[in-house]
Amino acid sequence: DAKTTQPPSMDCAEGRAANLPCNHSTISGNEYVYWYRQIHSQGPQYIIHGLKNNETNEMASLIITEDRKSSTLILPHATLRDTAVYYCIVRVAGWSGAGSYQLTFGKGTKLSVIP
Amino acid sequence: DAGVTQSPTHLIKTRGQQVTLRCSPKSGHDTVSWYQQALGQGPQFIFQYYEEEERQRGNFPDRFSGHQFPNYSSELNVNALLLGDSALYLCASSLDAGYNEQFFGPGTRLTVL
Repeated sequence: DAKTTQPPSMDCAEGRAANLPCNHSTISGNEYVYWYRQIHSQGPQYIIHGLKNNETNEMASLIITEDRKSSTLILPHATLRDTAVYYCIVRVAGWSGAGSYQLTFGKGTKLSVIP
Repeated sequence: DAGVTQSPTHLIKTRGQQVTLRCSPKSGHDTVSWYQQALGQGPQFIFQYYEEEERQRGNFPDRFSGHQFPNYSSELNVNALLLGDSALYLCASSLDAGYNEQFFGPGTRLTVL
């Protein structure tokens, strides 16, 4: 799986949009971008994933650049409950050989939502 | 839907002992993965079970073993515990189809003294 680069930490004012960047310049054509978050002392929570089109669900929006080398997770109206570590992961969907089923977590971005 | 459940919540063991952690997957899920998360680090993949067999394994020694039962629940066993095995152990379940979004349980906090 391709590696990702994320800033170690970010702050966001409550009620404002939080934009979390992720660089994945070595992503392959069949690899998806997944986002998870982990609130302190809990298990990671799936947020969203995408291949090349922008995606939106009830939690967030995912914007992937046209060359797919980077993406941005957008939390439209951040609340204090969104304070967490956010992980950007790239991987294939389904079987494509050894290692393809695991999620490879980096250190993520610690987002602090400020009142 | 109870989601992914894990037991116990916390556990304290001493070096050299053995431990068994348990996981019940989300309803309808047939695949279980286990991860180890040391303090301040992201989760590290241990292995994944599907159809009662270990399908994929991360870079962990043979002291780490597992099992999946016919009802898809799973156990993680760790033998000859070391101080470095102290961590949060996470179980994740998924469907063996589609995009394989993994849903995580709350974890078991293991402390080895």
